Amino acid sequence: SQTIHQWPATLVQPVGSPLSLECTVEGTSNPNLYWYRQAAGRGLQLLFYSVGIGQISSEVPQNLSASRPQDRQFILSSKKLLLSDSGFYLCAWSLGGRVGQPQHFGDGTRLSIL
Amino acid sequence: AQTVTQSQPEMSVQEAETVTLSCTYDTSESNYYLFWYKQPPSRQMILVIRQEAYKQQNATENRFSVNFQKAAKSFSLKISDSQLGDTAMYFCAFHDATSGTYKYIFGTGTRLKVLA
Repeated sequence: SQTIHQWPATLVQPVGSPLSLECTVEGTSNPNLYWYRQAAGRGLQLLFYSVGIGQISSEVPQNLSASRPQDRQFILSSKKLLLSDSGFYLCAWSLGGRVGQPQHFGDGTRLSIL
Repeated sequence: AQTVTQSQPEMSVQEAETVTLSCTYDTSESNYYLFWYKQPPSRQMILVIRQEAYKQQNATENRFSVNFQKAAKSFSLKISDSQLGDTAMYFCAFHDATSGTYKYIFGTGTRLKVLA
């Protein structure tokens, strides 16, 4: 069966520091991968998605970036964090190459910027 | 642009009662999929139900069912025999099957509280 791992679960970072959140999927090949941000009590904002290695689509221009160095690995990064980057970050995957499939989510990372 | 609207920020229901959460969407496409996800206080996103737009029959999963009205672009979720464990944030999501982008658009959510 497929599983998704996202880490760390909680992160406290000072303003201006770098960021690296990692997500890996097991049990499937060439998944579609997604990064979302959820502000407190709010909906999900799509940040990036990828349909293949090295293919990244950005939905919101900001100081975050994403990379997909391996088929089932998706990384969210920042060189300098802003206070507004605080939030709950979710990684998700769906079956690659097939429309209409549900997304499956990781447990999320709670990011606090001080 | 395609949009998803959940007009009820918060709702409450008594245990064992039935509650309906609303979702409307806007699209010019005819081939798409709709989903309801549940996010309990643990914040784990859990798929509740999936509906294919070209299927007229409403999807059902145990106590959860949908009322899919394609012409009205409405996709409501009915929870029967509500349980305390149903307390969660519920998100409606839209997936366009024709764009080739594999993107999902989420509503802002409805916070449901089941009262003992």
